[in-house]
Amino acid sequence: DGGITQSPKYLFRKEGQNVTLSCEQNLNHDAMYWYRQDPGQGLRLIYYSQIVNDFQKGDIAEGYSVSREKKESFPLTVTSAQKNPTAFYLCASSRRQGQSYEQYFGPGTRLTVT
Amino acid sequence: AQKVTQAQTEISVVEKEDVTLDCVYETRDTTYYLFWYKQPPSGELVFLIRRNSFDEQNEISGRYSWNFQKSTSSFNFTITASQVVDSAVYFCALSEAESVTSYDKVIFGPGTSLSVIP
Repeated sequence: DGGITQSPKYLFRKEGQNVTLSCEQNLNHDAMYWYRQDPGQGLRLIYYSQIVNDFQKGDIAEGYSVSREKKESFPLTVTSAQKNPTAFYLCASSRRQGQSYEQYFGPGTRLTVT
Repeated sequence: AQKVTQAQTEISVVEKEDVTLDCVYETRDTTYYLFWYKQPPSGELVFLIRRNSFDEQNEISGRYSWNFQKSTSSFNFTITASQVVDSAVYFCALSEAESVTSYDKVIFGPGTSLSVIP
């Protein structure tokens, strides 16, 4: 089955610790994205990547970092610099840019930092 | 600037009723794309439809239908004979296609939470 996997589904961390969220896709998509969703709100873009070894900041990149060493993988690190990291994080992928293809989403990771 | 408005924050209907979710968008481009996504309680967004700005034909897929009207900048979503499984948050989204090499930013609306009561 083709799709996007995110792990873990729930993650708990102490304040001051960095944490890495996993995102893997086997859809052969070029583009991948990370969104943050807060309760009762829409999605906000953190980072996106159009191709391996390239990524760009989204609207709320401060306190986050990513890497894209493989086409299938786009991990997100929530650093201690992120002031309010508790949120629901969604990873997505789509075919190449320029045609506004629909995005396919993973099941999400709910991060709680105390 | 791009903007997507979903004025209905929460809607409750009784099973088998029809329900329409409103979506109003703002864009300066003539070429753009509109989307609807469903987010059930499990959290994963599910893609429902993609429509480009040059195709104003209404679309029907089973109990789902979409009404795209450029004159009013609206892309409304109707569920006919609603079912409990339709309970979810529904997001409307807008993207302006730039070029093959640039990023097509997707703007999501705030979502409408639909509850279908048995």
